[in-house]
Amino acid sequence: AQRVTQPEKLLSVFKGAPVELKCNYSYSGSPELFWYVQYSRQRLQLLLRHISRESIKGFTADLNKGETSFHLKKPFAQEEDSAMYYCALLAGGTSYGKLTFGQGTILTVHP
Amino acid sequence: GAVVSQHPSRVICKSGTSVKIECRSLDFQATTMFWYRQFPKQSLMLMATSNEGSKATYEQGVEKDKFLINHASLTLSTLTVTSAHPEDSSFYICSAPRAEPSYNEQFFGPGTRLTVL
Repeated sequence: AQRVTQPEKLLSVFKGAPVELKCNYSYSGSPELFWYVQYSRQRLQLLLRHISRESIKGFTADLNKGETSFHLKKPFAQEEDSAMYYCALLAGGTSYGKLTFGQGTILTVHP
Repeated sequence: GAVVSQHPSRVICKSGTSVKIECRSLDFQATTMFWYRQFPKQSLMLMATSNEGSKATYEQGVEKDKFLINHASLTLSTLTVTSAHPEDSSFYICSAPRAEPSYNEQFFGPGTRLTVL
């Protein structure tokens, strides 16, 4: 069975500092990984996915199959980045469409 | 982007009563929808997969007789919490994947806060 681990429940940084939210996964197949974000009082929304290899709101994430990681990075954090971040893995095969979420990391960016 | 709605946004009920939560895909059809449960500042736990025209698939440990799921149409799935108890109090979220442009993108509802007294 697949598993997603976010080792940090809480992460605090100051505005302008770099930030990295860690995510590790275990999955026997070829993974498809996502980062979702949930701002205060808002619904969960997709931030980025590894297959797109894009940068959204200054965030990037690279899939490292050797280390089974998909860490989320931003070189200069902003106060509006404060939110709950979830790493998620999409299973294939008969479990197609099912997302497995990590425990989430609450990011707080201080002024 | 696609929109998924949930109704009601919050509900308070007495212990022993049943509560129905609706999940609608407003601008696309969803043959599959997913129901999650989220505890405060914790992860989303997948409860079940709702399949249009067939039975729902429940995750291990989720009581199918307690959490009844009906996927009546291509735009509506309902979750009924039967004989609710205080331990069922939680935040329930649904999601739906959209086939175009990519089935792999899922859209989430705003969630329903259930409080059982």
